[in-house]
Amino acid sequence: GAVVSQHPSWVICKSGTSVKIECRSLDFQATTMFWYRQFPKQSLMLMATSNEGSKATYEQGVEKDKFLINHASLTLSTLTVTSAHPEDSSFYICSAFGQGTMNYGYTFGSGTRLTVV
Amino acid sequence: AQSVAQPEDQVNVAEGNPLTVKCTYSVSGNPYLFWYVQYPNRGLQFLLKYITGDNLVKGSYGFEAEFNKSQTSFHLKKPSALVSDSALYFCAVRGINTGGFKTIFGAGTRLFVKA
Repeated sequence: GAVVSQHPSWVICKSGTSVKIECRSLDFQATTMFWYRQFPKQSLMLMATSNEGSKATYEQGVEKDKFLINHASLTLSTLTVTSAHPEDSSFYICSAFGQGTMNYGYTFGSGTRLTVV
Repeated sequence: AQSVAQPEDQVNVAEGNPLTVKCTYSVSGNPYLFWYVQYPNRGLQFLLKYITGDNLVKGSYGFEAEFNKSQTSFHLKKPSALVSDSALYFCAVRGINTGGFKTIFGAGTRLFVKA
Protein backbone atom coordinates (compact mmCIF):
# COMPACT_ATOMS: atom_id res chain seq x y z
CA GLY A 1 0.00 0.00 0.00
CA ALA A 2 0.86 3.71 -0.12
CA VAL A 3 2.16 3.98 -3.67
CA VAL A 4 2.97 7.29 -5.34
CA SER A 5 3.40 7.55 -9.07
CA GLN A 6 5.32 10.46 -10.56
CA HIS A 7 5.31 11.26 -14.25
CA PRO A 8 7.27 11.84 -16.39
CA SER A 9 10.46 10.25 -15.08
CA TRP A 10 12.52 12.48 -17.31
CA VAL A 11 11.86 15.39 -19.62
CA ILE A 12 13.90 17.64 -21.87
CA CYS A 13 12.44 20.98 -22.83
CA LYS A 14 13.49 24.13 -24.59
CA SER A 15 14.25 27.26 -22.64
CA GLY A 16 11.15 29.42 -22.26
CA THR A 17 8.64 26.61 -22.38
CA SER A 18 6.62 25.21 -19.48
CA VAL A 19 6.73 21.70 -18.10
CA LYS A 20 4.15 19.93 -15.98
CA ILE A 21 5.04 17.13 -13.56
CA GLU A 22 2.32 14.95 -12.08
CA CYS A 23 2.27 13.19 -8.75
CA ARG A 24 -0.48 10.67 -8.06
CA SER A 25 -1.29 8.65 -4.99
CA LEU A 26 -2.52 5.33 -6.33
CA ASP A 27 -4.02 3.60 -3.34
CA PHE A 28 -4.60 6.22 -0.71
CA GLN A 29 -5.90 9.73 -0.37
CA ALA A 30 -3.09 12.22 -0.16
CA THR A 31 -4.25 15.07 2.00
CA THR A 32 -0.82 16.65 1.85
CA MET A 33 1.77 16.58 -0.90
CA PHE A 34 5.30 17.91 -0.83
CA TRP A 35 7.51 18.92 -3.70
CA TYR A 36 11.27 18.70 -3.39
CA ARG A 37 14.15 19.69 -5.58
CA GLN A 38 17.44 17.87 -5.48
CA PHE A 39 20.67 19.12 -6.95
CA PRO A 40 23.43 16.66 -7.85
CA LYS A 41 25.00 15.09 -4.79
CA GLN A 42 22.88 17.21 -2.50
CA SER A 43 19.99 16.64 -0.19
CA LEU A 44 16.35 17.31 -0.87
CA MET A 45 15.22 20.89 -0.66
CA LEU A 46 11.58 21.33 0.20
CA MET A 47 9.99 23.68 -2.30
CA ALA A 48 6.38 23.71 -1.21
CA THR A 49 3.66 21.97 0.73
CA SER A 50 0.20 21.60 -0.68
CA ASN A 51 -3.00 20.53 0.96
CA GLU A 52 -5.88 19.32 -1.15
CA GLY A 53 -8.16 22.12 -2.20
CA SER A 54 -6.04 24.97 -0.91
CA LYS A 55 -3.14 27.07 -2.08
CA ALA A 56 0.35 25.70 -1.70
CA THR A 57 2.70 27.03 0.94
CA TYR A 58 6.06 27.84 -0.56
CA GLU A 59 9.38 27.76 1.24
CA GLN A 60 11.43 30.90 1.46
CA GLY A 61 13.27 31.65 -1.74
CA VAL A 62 11.02 29.55 -3.98
CA GLU A 63 9.26 31.56 -6.67
CA LYS A 64 5.59 30.71 -6.55
CA ASP A 65 4.94 32.22 -9.95
CA LYS A 66 7.63 30.06 -11.50
CA PHE A 67 6.76 26.82 -9.77
CA LEU A 68 2.99 26.50 -9.93
CA ILE A 69 1.52 23.82 -7.72
CA ASN A 70 -2.00 22.52 -7.97
CA HIS A 71 -3.52 19.97 -5.62
CA ALA A 72 -7.05 19.81 -6.91
CA SER A 73 -7.89 16.32 -5.76
CA LEU A 74 -6.90 13.87 -3.06
CA THR A 75 -4.96 11.78 -5.54
CA LEU A 76 -3.25 14.29 -7.81
CA SER A 77 -0.86 17.17 -7.42
CA THR A 78 0.95 18.88 -10.26
CA LEU A 79 4.06 21.03 -10.41
CA THR A 80 4.40 23.27 -13.44
CA VAL A 81 7.75 24.86 -14.12
CA THR A 82 6.86 27.97 -16.10
CA SER A 83 9.18 29.63 -18.61
CA ALA A 84 11.88 27.13 -17.79
CA HIS A 85 15.54 28.09 -17.95
CA PRO A 86 18.66 25.95 -17.83
CA GLU A 87 19.15 26.76 -14.15
CA ASP A 88 15.82 25.03 -13.47
CA SER A 89 17.36 21.76 -14.59
CA SER A 90 17.21 19.48 -11.60
CA PHE A 91 15.69 16.37 -10.11
CA TYR A 92 12.20 17.00 -8.75
CA ILE A 93 10.59 14.61 -6.29
CA CYS A 94 7.12 14.59 -4.83
CA SER A 95 5.96 12.90 -1.69
CA ALA A 96 2.52 12.35 -0.32
CA PHE A 97 1.05 11.98 3.09
CA GLY A 98 -2.41 10.86 4.03
CA GLN A 99 -4.51 8.64 6.15
CA GLY A 100 -2.75 5.36 6.72
CA THR A 101 0.69 6.46 5.51
CA MET A 102 2.20 7.24 8.88
CA ASN A 103 3.90 3.87 9.00
CA TYR A 104 5.80 4.70 5.85
CA GLY A 105 7.00 8.12 6.85
CA TYR A 106 6.40 9.86 3.61
CA THR A 107 5.77 8.00 0.40
CA PHE A 108 7.90 9.33 -2.42
CA GLY A 109 7.48 9.36 -6.14
CA SER A 110 10.31 8.07 -8.31
CA GLY A 111 11.34 11.56 -9.31
CA THR A 112 11.51 13.58 -12.52
CA ARG A 113 14.76 14.64 -14.08
CA LEU A 114 14.21 17.93 -15.88
CA THR A 115 16.76 19.16 -18.38
CA VAL A 116 16.23 22.58 -19.92
CA VAL A 117 18.23 23.24 -23.08
CA ALA B 1 14.73 24.97 14.86
CA GLN B 2 15.06 21.36 13.91
CA SER B 3 18.06 20.04 12.04
CA VAL B 4 19.69 16.82 10.95
CA ALA B 5 23.39 16.18 10.54
CA GLN B 6 25.02 13.37 8.64
CA PRO B 7 28.69 14.00 9.36
CA GLU B 8 30.05 11.70 6.68
CA ASP B 9 29.70 12.49 2.99
CA GLN B 10 30.82 8.98 2.12
CA VAL B 11 31.26 5.66 3.85
CA ASN B 12 33.34 2.87 2.37
CA VAL B 13 33.04 -0.68 3.59
CA ALA B 14 34.01 -4.11 2.33
CA GLU B 15 31.29 -6.60 1.50
CA GLY B 16 30.48 -8.78 4.47
CA ASN B 17 31.67 -6.23 7.00
CA PRO B 18 29.31 -4.32 9.29
CA LEU B 19 28.37 -0.82 8.26
CA THR B 20 27.29 2.26 10.15
CA VAL B 21 25.92 5.48 8.70
CA LYS B 22 25.75 8.23 11.28
CA CYS B 23 22.97 10.69 11.98
CA THR B 24 22.41 13.22 14.73
CA TYR B 25 19.43 15.48 15.11
CA SER B 26 18.09 18.49 16.91
CA VAL B 27 14.39 18.96 17.44
CA SER B 28 12.10 20.32 20.08
CA GLY B 29 9.95 17.70 21.67
CA ASN B 30 9.97 14.04 20.80
CA PRO B 31 11.25 13.32 17.32
CA TYR B 32 9.99 11.16 14.54
CA LEU B 33 13.11 9.77 12.85
CA PHE B 34 13.44 8.11 9.47
CA TRP B 35 16.00 6.58 7.18
CA TYR B 36 15.57 6.54 3.41
CA VAL B 37 17.70 5.11 0.61
CA GLN B 38 18.01 6.55 -2.88
CA TYR B 39 19.34 4.77 -5.94
CA PRO B 40 20.51 6.77 -8.99
CA ASN B 41 17.73 8.74 -10.68
CA ARG B 42 15.14 7.29 -8.35
CA GLY B 43 12.97 8.64 -5.57
CA LEU B 44 13.52 7.84 -1.95
CA GLN B 45 12.63 4.48 -0.50
CA PHE B 46 11.61 4.17 3.12
CA LEU B 47 13.91 1.95 5.21
CA LEU B 48 12.79 2.37 8.78
CA LYS B 49 11.41 4.76 11.34
CA TYR B 50 11.45 5.49 15.04
CA ILE B 51 8.36 7.01 16.60
CA THR B 52 8.24 5.49 20.05
CA GLY B 53 8.99 2.23 21.82
CA ASP B 54 12.06 0.07 21.53
CA ASN B 55 15.19 2.07 20.79
CA LEU B 56 16.43 -0.52 18.31
CA VAL B 57 14.40 -0.36 15.16
CA LYS B 58 14.58 -3.00 12.45
CA GLY B 59 13.76 -2.12 8.88
CA SER B 60 13.95 -3.25 5.29
CA TYR B 61 16.83 -5.16 3.68
CA GLY B 62 18.38 -6.11 7.00
CA PHE B 63 19.00 -2.55 8.15
CA GLU B 64 18.45 -1.41 11.69
CA ALA B 65 18.92 1.83 13.58
CA GLU B 66 19.35 2.70 17.22
CA PHE B 67 17.68 5.71 18.76
CA ASN B 68 19.85 7.28 21.44
CA LYS B 69 18.06 10.12 23.15
CA SER B 70 20.98 11.28 25.28
CA GLN B 71 23.27 11.55 22.28
CA THR B 72 20.45 12.68 19.95
CA SER B 73 21.59 10.13 17.44
CA PHE B 74 19.91 7.66 15.12
CA HIS B 75 22.71 5.74 13.40
CA LEU B 76 21.87 3.29 10.63
CA LYS B 77 23.52 -0.12 10.84
CA LYS B 78 23.74 -3.42 9.07
CA PRO B 79 25.68 -6.44 10.35
CA SER B 80 26.92 -7.56 6.92
CA ALA B 81 27.08 -5.21 3.96
CA LEU B 82 26.22 -6.18 0.41
CA VAL B 83 27.48 -4.60 -2.79
CA SER B 84 23.85 -3.89 -3.64
CA ASP B 85 23.61 -1.69 -0.54
CA SER B 86 25.70 0.91 -2.34
CA ALA B 87 23.44 3.96 -2.58
CA LEU B 88 22.70 7.35 -1.09
CA TYR B 89 21.22 7.31 2.40
CA PHE B 90 19.23 10.09 4.00
CA CYS B 91 18.33 10.56 7.62
CA ALA B 92 15.22 12.64 8.28
CA VAL B 93 13.51 14.10 11.30
CA ARG B 94 10.06 15.42 11.90
CA GLY B 95 9.23 17.24 15.09
CA ILE B 96 5.81 16.98 16.60
CA ASN B 97 5.76 20.71 17.16
CA THR B 98 6.67 21.69 13.63
CA GLY B 99 4.09 23.17 11.38
CA GLY B 100 2.12 20.50 9.60
CA PHE B 101 4.23 17.47 8.84
CA LYS B 102 7.34 19.14 7.51
CA THR B 103 10.33 16.83 7.46
CA ILE B 104 13.93 17.90 7.43
CA PHE B 105 16.47 15.77 5.59
CA GLY B 106 20.15 15.39 6.24
CA ALA B 107 22.63 16.09 3.46
CA GLY B 108 22.93 12.41 2.67
CA THR B 109 25.73 9.87 2.98
CA ARG B 110 26.94 7.92 0.01
CA LEU B 111 27.68 4.31 0.87
CA PHE B 112 30.14 2.33 -1.23
CA VAL B 113 30.36 -1.38 -0.59
CA LYS B 114 33.34 -2.99 -2.27
CA ALA B 115 33.30 -6.63 -3.30
